[in-house]
Amino acid sequence: AQSVAQPEDQVNVAEGNPLTVKCTYSVSGNPYLFWYVQYPNRGLQFLLKYITGDNLVKGSYGFEAEFNKSQTSFHLKKPSALVSDSALYFCAVDVSGSSNTGKLIFGQGTTLQVKP
Amino acid sequence: KAGVTQTPRYLIKTRGQQVTLSCSPISGHRSVSWYQQTPGQGLQFLFEYFSETQRNKGNFPGRFSGRQFSNSRSEMNVSTLELGDSALYLCASSLRGRFTTNEKLFFGSGTQLSVL
Repeated sequence: AQSVAQPEDQVNVAEGNPLTVKCTYSVSGNPYLFWYVQYPNRGLQFLLKYITGDNLVKGSYGFEAEFNKSQTSFHLKKPSALVSDSALYFCAVDVSGSSNTGKLIFGQGTTLQVKP
Repeated sequence: KAGVTQTPRYLIKTRGQQVTLSCSPISGHRSVSWYQQTPGQGLQFLFEYFSETQRNKGNFPGRFSGRQFSNSRSEMNVSTLELGDSALYLCASSLRGRFTTNEKLFFGSGTQLSVL
């Protein structure tokens, strides 16, 4: 079955330190991978997406993600965390493949807490 | 450009009642997807509509239904409400639901449904 896993429920970092939020996937075929962020009482906001090509994807708000095919991972990173980055982060994968039917499978989410 | 708009923002219903939620996609977007978000199950795909046709459906009982109108606006209906239906219902839109391209999902802020 196709799935996405975020192994950490919560990640705590100090402001100014680098952060990593982990994501691994299990899909058949080429994966189309996403990161979204959710602030309290809000919908999800798009951060970045991997389609093909460069393994390092740059996104919004200084975030980037590294695609690793051999480890089936797509970890989210930021060189220097801000308190305002504290939120719920979701990794997602497109499972519709050639059927193109707009369905994403989401991980369980990781709460990022950045302390001043 | 206006974002994805969901109404109402909050709803309180009692068991056995039915409810209709509304979603207006971003102008020009023809694919509308619905997701249910709960603390225990995370984000789960309900269904996706494109040009008034349901193209994909998640693993939810038949009490959950939806439709899309010719202007791409969408509604979802839940009949015979159960306590477990309490959740944040998120609507998302994209141009055509083709994530093998540069397309991405844009989410609304959601409708928080509480079933008493």
